[in-house]
Amino acid sequence: DQQVKQNSPSLSVQEGRISILNCDYTNSMFDYFLWYKKYPAEGPTFLISISSIKDKNEDGRFTVFLNKSAKHLSLHIVPSQPGDSAVYFCAARGSGYALNFGKGTSLLVTP
Amino acid sequence: EPEVTQTPSHQVTQMGQEVILRCVPISNHLYFYWYRQILGQKVEFLVSFYNNEISEKSEIFDDQFSVERPDGSNFTLKIRSTKLEDSAMYFCASSGELNTEAFFGQGTRLTVV
Repeated sequence: DQQVKQNSPSLSVQEGRISILNCDYTNSMFDYFLWYKKYPAEGPTFLISISSIKDKNEDGRFTVFLNKSAKHLSLHIVPSQPGDSAVYFCAARGSGYALNFGKGTSLLVTP
Repeated sequence: EPEVTQTPSHQVTQMGQEVILRCVPISNHLYFYWYRQILGQKVEFLVSFYNNEISEKSEIFDDQFSVERPDGSNFTLKIRSTKLEDSAMYFCASSGELNTEAFFGQGTRLTVV
């Protein structure tokens, strides 16, 4: 069952522009959301998180927006850099211990 | 910067053999996890471990799997009798508190032949 969905398998953005990665979830019990970045042959690297009591969290070039009524979150990267090229995973946690991951979106930032 | 380390980076084993994947979590963390990612699929939760016992496990984590924290620093995942479908990247992770980010290791690529 796909409780966390990333419907865009890939995204290409020019350097300096904004990258917007989207994520939808179905489980209304999820209350903590995270974005991870992953390079090939490496483990996921934590980027930014947001709890359900907030609708926005910002850390440098990365901002996560949460729309609970739509069960939707997005990651904005501004400005995008070539080094941001990686696979981005959205993850969500509810009352348990498990992180539920989406399938990932492969971001390519072109010079 | 503290990190989660996993060994080996790659393990090849014959079907039916036992394998042990090893992890050293971040030293002051209390929650430990194993995840796996089959090629082309999403990262899937296997098990969490807290206070020296399993706190949650998924349907994937059947009787063939076990975890142990033998000496206060290592955290291991054992697969008793490997199957071809166990071939995947296995990631260990740890977190300091429950509702904080989990930090992942580099992964062990397990290939069952």
